[in-house]
Amino acid sequence: GENVEQHPSTLSVQEGDSAVIKCTYSDSASNYFPWYKQELGKRPQLIIDIRSNVGEKKDQRIAVTLNKTAKHFSLHITETQPEDSAVYFCAAGDYKLSFGAGTTVTVRA
Amino acid sequence: GAGVSQSPSNKVTEKGKDVELRCDPISGHTALYWYRQSLGQGLEFLIYFQGNSAPDKSGLPSDRFSAERTGGSVSTLTIQRTQQEDSAVYLCASSFRAGGKTGELFFGEGSRLTVL
Repeated sequence: GENVEQHPSTLSVQEGDSAVIKCTYSDSASNYFPWYKQELGKRPQLIIDIRSNVGEKKDQRIAVTLNKTAKHFSLHITETQPEDSAVYFCAAGDYKLSFGAGTTVTVRA
Repeated sequence: GAGVSQSPSNKVTEKGKDVELRCDPISGHTALYWYRQSLGQGLEFLIYFQGNSAPDKSGLPSDRFSAERTGGSVSTLTIQRTQQEDSAVYLCASSFRAGGKTGELFFGEGSRLTVL
């Protein structure tokens, strides 16, 4: 089955700086790569996703890149703000998504 | 409803008891998933439904775990003879899957299970 590894497990950044989270996956059949944000005590919510026919996607301060050859994808958050503090999960798969272990992002004011 | 609804939100039970967790997905969503999230961990896939059938049960940890979905809507996850290691938040998610493409998963608030 699919195995998704996510790094780093924790990330602390100064407000206004950028944050980058990287994930690798093992199953070359995976074609859908979403990122979810989970605030403390809340449900995970989709922030951005990318499909295998696209190499990069951007939505305001958030961007995701995908390298299918190397089987890795990354989340980039620019101009971080305190409300970006949360746990971020990457996922990979098709009908079934395998999730990474999560990255706890803390934005210092 | 407006979103995925799960009940109970919290359940404390004694070791050896059976528990049932309920998920009411977003109306019209054909795909339904159960995930388990242990403290500080990622989301562990349990089972996937497409309509009423479960083509993938590969994530169920043992035969004490079972799930069903009726009418293409509500799903129940049953854990028999609960063990302390079953303690976790059980998350349900639904999705509108069309053309063979997975869409956004909408998660419920989860059912927090504590086995004493």
